[in-house]
Amino acid sequence: ETGVTQSPTHLIKTRGQQVTLRCSSQSGHNTVSWYQQALGQGPQFIFQYYREEENGRGNFPPRFSGLQFPNYSSELNVNALELDDSALYLCASSSGTKETQYFGPGTRLLVL
Amino acid sequence: AQSVTQLGSHVSVSEGALVLLRCNYSSSVPPYLFWYVQYPNQGLQLLLKYTSAATLVKGINGFEAEFKKSETSFHLTKPSAHMSDAAEYFCAVTDKAAGNKLTFGGGTRVLVKP
Repeated sequence: ETGVTQSPTHLIKTRGQQVTLRCSSQSGHNTVSWYQQALGQGPQFIFQYYREEENGRGNFPPRFSGLQFPNYSSELNVNALELDDSALYLCASSSGTKETQYFGPGTRLLVL
Repeated sequence: AQSVTQLGSHVSVSEGALVLLRCNYSSSVPPYLFWYVQYPNQGLQLLLKYTSAATLVKGINGFEAEFKKSETSFHLTKPSAHMSDAAEYFCAVTDKAAGNKLTFGGGTRVLVKP
């Protein structure tokens, strides 16, 4: 059984650019959540997708958007990157919106 | 709104000594509580969770936590620290309505001295 995978592992962008991060959920999981973890802080909930529909959003601006595909993999898109977007982005999958989440290794984004 | 406070951003323990990591939560409804561990350059791994069953919860790697409603606490303990316990630990809260959308504390980094 393959766990949650994320790509790329590291990424460097400049201010104003756009970025897409990808997440493959664990086999059998239909729910994906995204979290942002700034350096030295705990993860913050960005949004969740359940069966291809957004199912809740944290306190993040609209330039953070997402998508979930029929195979339940997911993308996180960030437009107009800002320096404060530099963080570790974690994806977590679960077999439902109330089930235990399993986290991927994260994508580390650096915005210069 | 829910929140989590982890007292002590860094904790240093000697190998073989008790590990105690403090977590206090704020929630207006019955909470579900979690402890996760993060090793360097890795994602989060679930240590244990409380979902309104037994108040003393046993997890992996010898860790356990006790839910105390009167103190709004969910402290994590391990009787004897091992070098491999060096990592960052996060407490998180959610509730029935929020499902599995977690609110995390700021984390506690554990250093284990030989």
